[in-house]
Amino acid sequence: KAGVTQTPRYLIKTRGQQVTLSCSPISGHRSVSWYQQTPGQGLQFLFEYFSETQRNKGNFPGRFSGRQFSNSRSEMNVSTLELGDSALYLCASSLLSGVKETQYFGPGTRLLVL
Amino acid sequence: EDQVTQSPEALRLQEGESSSLNCSYTVSGLRGLFWYRQDPGKGPEFLFTLYSAGEEKEKERLKATLTKKESFLHITAPKPEDSATYLCAVQGVETSGSRLTFGEGTQLTVNP
Repeated sequence: KAGVTQTPRYLIKTRGQQVTLSCSPISGHRSVSWYQQTPGQGLQFLFEYFSETQRNKGNFPGRFSGRQFSNSRSEMNVSTLELGDSALYLCASSLLSGVKETQYFGPGTRLLVL
Repeated sequence: EDQVTQSPEALRLQEGESSSLNCSYTVSGLRGLFWYRQDPGKGPEFLFTLYSAGEEKEKERLKATLTKKESFLHITAPKPEDSATYLCAVQGVETSGSRLTFGEGTQLTVNP
């Protein structure tokens, strides 16, 4: 069974630009969560989508947004990029949401903002 | 608010030298505790899920245990390929959805 895939793997942007990252969950998984990982803050929860609805949201500004499609694929968007948005963005999927389900992570998208 | 603290931040071992990593957590009620392994530049790889105090799980040289306040990841006779960052995460019963709260991780280096 194929794992979680994320595209692109690497991205370089300049301040003020916007970026869209994509995540395809494991086949059959309906919950997709996004995390930001930085050396100083560790792994921080961004948001979760389940059946095309945002289920939960972390403490990030409104510049960070996401959506989920009917095939469970998800995208996250960051508008008006800042230098501090440089990070590894990780997507994780699980079969369901809110129960004892293990989340499986993708390889991540490394974003560098110059 | 769920909280996770991992110690030590970094650990250097000689090949074959067994040790333990600690994960202390604070939740109103535990739904699950998760251990992941992360190699540089890669996403976290799932290792174990523990649900209740007293539970233990093993995989090769790794064994995870759980009490009401902390979890330990025991590494027996480690090999250089066990070098990685080990992450602990919790889900509390008051957490909606699948949100995980992570610790900062323990960076393990095993020298040959």
